[in-house]
Amino acid sequence: EAQVTQNPRYLITVTGKKLTVTCSQNMNHEYMSWYRQDPGLGLRQIYYSMNVEVTDKGDVPEGYKVSRKEKRNFPLILESPSPNQTSLYFCASSHGTGDYGYTFGSGTRLTVV
Amino acid sequence: QKEVEQDPGPLSVPEGAIVSLNCTYSNSAFQYFMWYRQYSRKGPELLMYTYSSGNKEDGRFTAQVDKSSKYISLFIRDSQPSDSATYLCAMTLSGLVFGTGTRLLVSP
Repeated sequence: EAQVTQNPRYLITVTGKKLTVTCSQNMNHEYMSWYRQDPGLGLRQIYYSMNVEVTDKGDVPEGYKVSRKEKRNFPLILESPSPNQTSLYFCASSHGTGDYGYTFGSGTRLTVV
Repeated sequence: QKEVEQDPGPLSVPEGAIVSLNCTYSNSAFQYFMWYRQYSRKGPELLMYTYSSGNKEDGRFTAQVDKSSKYISLFIRDSQPSDSATYLCAMTLSGLVFGTGTRLLVSP
């Protein structure tokens, strides 16, 4: 089944404790991206990657890092999480930036206390 | 001003009603226009997409784009309780730019 898999689904952590949210896709998509979803603000892009070793900032990149060492994986790293990063995170992939066919993961609900 | 504006709702309708969901946008460089549906605790799923101005129909759903007015719409005919979800408009540039989503509630 074609899908984007995120882990974990739920995570509660403390301020400053580094964490990684994993994202993997099995559709051989070149493009992958991370979004956060907050009430009243909708989905906002954090980082995106056009292909292996090619990443760029989205609209809200502060406090996040990403890497794209393999085509299928695009982990999101929070090196020193803060409470304002409490949010619902989604990973998505597609064949290209202008492609309409984005596939989303099921989401990771992160709480930073 | 946000690039994409969407009324958050909630929009409550009885089963069988025609639903109209709308978004306005400010950037004329947007290429594809999409509607995603998001059920609670799930990721968004692509419902419809269109590239040019005009209408596109798929079953009970019709997507409409008016590039001159920078306005897109999604119509749902014969709405069902299973249509209850949040509907997100989205547009492509260097990635997707989303509206905030409209929560739709269809009561039996």
